[in-house]
Amino acid sequence: EVQLVESGGGVVRPGGSLRLSCAASGFTFDDYGMSWVRQAPGKGLEWVSGINWNGGSTGYADSVKGRFTISRDNAKNSLYLQMNSLRAEDTALYHCARRLRLGELSLYAFDIWGQGTMVTVSS
Amino acid sequence: EIVMTQSPATLSVSPGERATLSCRASQSVSSNLAWYQQKPGQAPRLLIYGASTRATGIPARFSGSGSGTEFTLTISSLQSEDFAVYYCQQYNNWPPSFGQGTKVEIK
Repeated sequence: EVQLVESGGGVVRPGGSLRLSCAASGFTFDDYGMSWVRQAPGKGLEWVSGINWNGGSTGYADSVKGRFTISRDNAKNSLYLQMNSLRAEDTALYHCARRLRLGELSLYAFDIWGQGTMVTVSS
Repeated sequence: EIVMTQSPATLSVSPGERATLSCRASQSVSSNLAWYQQKPGQAPRLLIYGASTRATGIPARFSGSGSGTEFTLTISSLQSEDFAVYYCQQYNNWPPSFGQGTKVEIK
């Protein structure tokens, strides 16, 4: 079964740090680009960051640029999001998502999603 | 950033009826448009990509249309399991961006 399972969320004070992890299974992880997408409580979806298959190309939303770092370890079938200088507005459920592949094209649509891990930034 | 605007915010429909959801982009996204379904407590599920191609395992009652700036998701005959929130998303321009969602509720 194709699956993504996030972990690492929790409660952190403003200015603090967290590292999220996403464990992939059921597919060849290094064939796919990946992303993080977040959802604030009761709100819609916001793309946060993306990475290509080998980690050589990354991208970030303006709202997190310079504070968050995406990375991956293909040997461990894992995706990560290092979050520093956290703010109250970063409070959200963070989903790991697999980028859709059409042949050799890796698109920024998302065909597999994890259930998410909750990050709460509060003093 | 391309702004995606969905309408209506809430759609009240009776089971068996047709539902039509709209999504508008602030500039052309060609056909690089996806639709997702999200039920409470669940992760989003890809329904449509390329504006009109159903994802694997998606029932034929879901169809997408449009190109450029105007898009539509149609659910031909609503089933009980279709009551959910639906999001559109463009992936033509950087960064990828989502609409605010349309909630389809039971009338």
